[in-house]
Amino acid sequence: QVQLVQSGAEVKKPGASVKVSCQSSGYTFTNYDINWVRQATGQGPEWMGWMNPNSGATGYSQKFQGRVTMTRSTSISTAYLELSDLRSDDTAVYYCARSGFGMGVNFDFWGQGTLVTVPS
Amino acid sequence: DIQMTQSPSSLSASVGDRVTITCRASQSISTYLNWYQQKPGKAPKLLIYAASSLQSGVPSRFSGSGSGTEFTLTISSLQPEDFATYYCQQSYNTRAFGPGTKVEIK
Repeated sequence: QVQLVQSGAEVKKPGASVKVSCQSSGYTFTNYDINWVRQATGQGPEWMGWMNPNSGATGYSQKFQGRVTMTRSTSISTAYLELSDLRSDDTAVYYCARSGFGMGVNFDFWGQGTLVTVPS
Repeated sequence: DIQMTQSPSSLSASVGDRVTITCRASQSISTYLNWYQQKPGKAPKLLIYAASSLQSGVPSRFSGSGSGTEFTLTISSLQPEDFATYYCQQSYNTRAFGPGTKVEIK
């Protein structure tokens, strides 16, 4: 069965960086995009960007351009999200989610979420 | 950027009620619209994709319709497990989510 398993909770100081991992199993890793979505407490999901595990191509939300990097290791079917220059308003649960490529995609499988806390 | 809005932002309903939630896009997105259900502490769950296609395993009381700029999610007979927050998502260019509609028990 398809599973996306994320790394554990993180606490980071303002200005630091965080790297969250998302290990996929149960399907061919390079056949689907990995997306990253975050959700602050009481807020809706906020899409951050996508990565194509086959080519490494990425597409980032304008809001996060310059602060976010999405990478992968195909040998271990793992995607990574790195967010730099952390601020207190980056405190949120970060999810990875699988989708197809291009337009008209949907997020059919999700990771369990990783809480990133940036104390003010 | 395409802006997504949802109405209402919250609603109270009883078990057995028919519930309709509306999602609007600031420009045409064809049928590139998905619906998700989210319960507290859980990841969102895909219900409807491409505006009207039911995701595998999702009960048939959920349905979606619409195209262009206006879309609806309908729950034909609300069940206790349906009390949750519902989000639309456009996949026309970015993959942004709407602000959500919370369905509460009356």
